[in-house]
Amino acid sequence: TQLLEQSPQFLSIQEGENLTVYCNSSSVFSSLQWYRQEPGEGPVLLVTVVTGGEVKKLKRLTFQFGDARKDSSLHITAAQPGDTGLYLCAGADGNKLVFGAGTILRVKS
Amino acid sequence: EAGVAQSPRYKIIEKRQSVAFWCNPISGHATLYWYQQILGQGPKLLIQFQNNGVVDDSQLPKDRFSAERLKGVDSTLKIQPAKLEDSAVYLCASSPGATVEQFFGPGTRLTVL
Repeated sequence: TQLLEQSPQFLSIQEGENLTVYCNSSSVFSSLQWYRQEPGEGPVLLVTVVTGGEVKKLKRLTFQFGDARKDSSLHITAAQPGDTGLYLCAGADGNKLVFGAGTILRVKS
Repeated sequence: EAGVAQSPRYKIIEKRQSVAFWCNPISGHATLYWYQQILGQGPKLLIQFQNNGVVDDSQLPKDRFSAERLKGVDSTLKIQPAKLEDSAVYLCASSPGATVEQFFGPGTRLTVL
């Protein structure tokens, strides 16, 4: 069974701070996705990374896929209250996704 | 483009009762997924359909859960009888089939008392 571990489980920071959340596995994935989920809503796709070592930027969010395609990180610069939510990573196994437990991020103003 | 629709949004039942959830995927999406998301955990795949055929139901508790996707469009997920541990958000997602990018509905929050 492929497992994805996310850390930290919970992060509470002040507006303007930087943060990094991690997604680690002992398994290799063909691609890895990051989703953001707000209370009462379904997850929304932020990015898909495919190539080992790949770095993608989405405004203040930077996503990196590990060289061995087993781990990934999400870095947020100058966090804003609107970034508050549950951040989920998901590894692709064929056309099936395996999700981590998520990191709950709270950004206080 | 309309997103994935789910109903009801909330449901409260007593244990041993039955419940059904409905999902209408994005038009033209061949693949439909049902996930269970327990509080504090990530979504867990219950069943995956490709058109109206089942691709993967290995994690579906078949003694109490059933799902169907008649005509390859809408889908229903049923629990009969419900247990306390079934309390969770049930998410439906769809994808065009050629990619792993999945689009999620808002979910149905089930509380079993």
